[in-house]
Amino acid sequence: AQSVTQLGSHVSVSEGALVLLRCNYSSSVPPYLFWYVQYPNQGLQLLLKYTSAATLVKGINGFEAEFKKSETSFHLTKPSAHMSDAAEYFCAVSKGNTDKLIFGTGTRLQVFP
Amino acid sequence: NAGVMQNPRHLVRRRGQEARLRCSPMKGHSHVYWYRQLPEEGLKFMVYLQKENIIDESGMPKERFSAEFPKEGPSILRIQQVVRGDSAAYFCASSPTRGTGDTEAFFGQGTRLTVV
Repeated sequence: AQSVTQLGSHVSVSEGALVLLRCNYSSSVPPYLFWYVQYPNQGLQLLLKYTSAATLVKGINGFEAEFKKSETSFHLTKPSAHMSDAAEYFCAVSKGNTDKLIFGTGTRLQVFP
Repeated sequence: NAGVMQNPRHLVRRRGQEARLRCSPMKGHSHVYWYRQLPEEGLKFMVYLQKENIIDESGMPKERFSAEFPKEGPSILRIQQVVRGDSAAYFCASSPTRGTGDTEAFFGQGTRLTVV
């Protein structure tokens, strides 16, 4: 069965610093992997997705993630944090025959000036 | 092109009352997913519906919860005899096709249910 694990429920960085949010997946088949962002009292917005094409996936707002099969990881990075990046970030995996998503528990990103 | 519309945005119910949550998918989308987000937790899948059909309800509690997506009108998530543990944010997502796992699902802003 597919699942995702997000290490670190809270991450704090200074503005301009590197952002690294960790996600490891468990899947018996090649997975489809997603990163979503949730701003306070809002719905989820897709940042990027991996669908077995390029292993380095670029998303919106300067975020990118690298699929590493050997490490079963799909960590999200951004070279330079901005105050507006403060939000909750969710990693998710989907089952192959539907778009039903299995979410991690989320990582809350705080950005300090 | 309007996004996924959920209403109400906030709903307060007393214990024992019924809660009805509505979701209008994006135009052209005939597939709807409901998720529940408990405080400090990630989203948990509840049910997947296509017009007039429940495709997968493996995440629905066995009692008090039901969902429908009629031919006309929004999808409805219904919770009967609500209890305090039902307090959560309920999100709806829609997609245009049944999908093969790699289709982007578009999320609404959620309904925040508070049971008092």
